[in-house]
Amino acid sequence: KAGVTQTPRYLIKTRGQQVTLSCSPISGHRSVSWYQQTPGQGLQFLFEYFSETQRNKGNFPGRFSGRQFSNSRSEMNVSTLELGDSALYLCASSLTGTESYEQYFGPGTRLTVT
Amino acid sequence: AQSVTQLDSHVSVSEGTPVLLRCNYSSSYSPSLFWYVQHPNKGLQLLLKYTSAATLVKGINGFEAEFKKSETSFHLTKPSAHMSDAAEYFCVVSFGGYGGSQGNLIFGKGTKLSVKP
Repeated sequence: KAGVTQTPRYLIKTRGQQVTLSCSPISGHRSVSWYQQTPGQGLQFLFEYFSETQRNKGNFPGRFSGRQFSNSRSEMNVSTLELGDSALYLCASSLTGTESYEQYFGPGTRLTVT
Repeated sequence: AQSVTQLDSHVSVSEGTPVLLRCNYSSSYSPSLFWYVQHPNKGLQLLLKYTSAATLVKGINGFEAEFKKSETSFHLTKPSAHMSDAAEYFCVVSFGGYGGSQGNLIFGKGTKLSVKP
């Protein structure tokens, strides 16, 4: 079974631009979660999608948004990029997102904002 | 407020010696607890999880962790370190979310494990 895939793996953007990251979950998984990893703040939860609905949201500004498609693939969008948005963005999928099921992480997209 | 604290940011051991990575959590509820490992330039991999069954949890690659409610701890151990264990380890707590979802996973700051030959 293929793992979680994220595209692109690396991205360089300029302040003020917007960016869209993509995540394809493991086949059959319906829950997709997004995390931001930075050296200073560590790993922080962004949001979780299940069956095309945002089910949980972390403490991030509205510039960060996401969506999930009917095939469970998910995208996250960051508008008006700031230097502090430079981070590794990780996507994780699980069967249902409940505590009984573990999350499987993708390799991440490294975003650099200049 | 819920939180998770990894007590050491860096642990260095010699190959063949025991590994102990410490994690404490703070919660009013019964949490689910996980340990994840992240090798350089790789995603996170689940080592083991505790979800209110046996308090001693065995994971992959010889790791295990013991849930101690009285101490609010979930320390990760391995009897004998291997060079391939060198990585960053994250203690993670899930307190559940809306509709029974896993909700907000709270990650510790991570412990970098170095293994000397």
